[in-house]
This record gives sequence, C-alpha cells and structure tokens, in this order.
Amino acid sequence: AQSVTQPDIHITVSEGASLELRCNYSYGATPYLFWYVQSPGQGLQLLLKYFSGDTLVQGIKGFEAEFKRSQSSFNLRKPSVHWSDAAEYFCAVLGGSQGNLIFGKGTKLSVKP
Amino acid sequence: DAMVIQNPRYQVTQFGKPVTLSCSQTLNHNVMYWYQQKSSQAPKLLFHYYDKDFNNEADTPDNFQSRRPNTSFCFLDIRSPGLGDAAMYLCATSRDKVEQFFGPGTRLTVL
Repeated sequence: AQSVTQPDIHITVSEGASLELRCNYSYGATPYLFWYVQSPGQGLQLLLKYFSGDTLVQGIKGFEAEFKRSQSSFNLRKPSVHWSDAAEYFCAVLGGSQGNLIFGKGTKLSVKP
Repeated sequence: DAMVIQNPRYQVTQFGKPVTLSCSQTLNHNVMYWYQQKSSQAPKLLFHYYDKDFNNEADTPDNFQSRRPNTSFCFLDIRSPGLGDAAMYLCATSRDKVEQFFGPGTRLTVL
C-alpha cells in the first residue's frame, strides 16, 4: 500500500539557518508528490509539486524539493529560514485505490529568533 | 482571485444538534473533497465528489453526509455531532484529481 513517512515530528531551527524536512514515500509507479504548509488555524497551501521532469523543483516562499527515486525521498529545503516559516508541513503522494492524496503525519517547524 | 471559500470559519454546536458546513469554489473544478483534521494530525479524507459521483471513504461514519447541488457548492452535514467530532473541517477542490486546492477550514466546536 502507498504511504508517506515524515520521520521528524518537530524541528526547531534558528532564523537565517538552512532547513531540510524529510519525506519518504512508498509507491510502485512514478509518484505525484506534493508539499503543503499549514499555519495555525488555516487551511493547507501548496508549496510545490513534482510530477515528472527535472528532479529539483522550485516552489513558493523560497522553498525547493528534490525527488530522489533511488531513495524514495522528496525532501523539502530552504537556504535561510524566516520566522514566518513557522508552521506545520505535510508531504503527500497521489495514490490509493481512488487516486486521492496520501499524507504524511506532518512536521512542525519552530523558528528561534 | 479564484479560490475555495468555507463558511463559517468557526462553528459552535451542541451535542446531538445537526450542523451543516459550507464550501464554495470559483475554480470550476470538477472534484470536491471534505477532510477532517484533528489537532496535530494530518487531514483525514471523509469523502469526495467526482463531478456528481459521490465517493465515501470506508471508515467515514454514517453520521457524516455530503451534498453537492452544483459544481460550485458542496456541503458537509453532521447529523448528530458528538464530542469526538470537534475538529477542523477542510474543503478542497481539484481538476481531475491532480493538484488539490484547500479552503481555510471551519473549526467545529461541540458543547
């Protein structure tokens, strides 16, 4: 069965430091992969997506992610974190019996001043 | 701007009193979804409409129902809310089940 694993429940980084959030997926075919961000009390906003082509994907707010088929990973990165990046981040793959989103459990990002 | 709108943003109901949450979209997407999200958890899909076809997740309680009167609107009805139904309810839309766009959510409190 398809699944998404986000190994880190909570990460704290200092403002201005680099960030990498890990995501591993289990999917038989070429996956459609997504990263969403959710601020407290808000809906989910799409940061970026991978369908095919270039394995390094650029998203909004200065985020990027790299698809590595050999590692079944789709890690999210940002070179310099801002305090406003504090939020919950969800990795997801399109799959399941009806082609719906399968989410990881999320990683909560805290940013230290 | 094209968007997904949810009303109300905050809803308080009493235990057992039926409640309806509303979602509308200006994206003209053919698929609409309802998710339940509890604190510090990932969204859990309740059901979705693919055009007019209703698709219920196997573990969605019968207490949850949905209606989609037209392309733009979709409603979530909770027939007899229990304390365990207090959560954030998220509506999302997509064109042919690819990229999903989410609304801001409705926070439901059950007293």
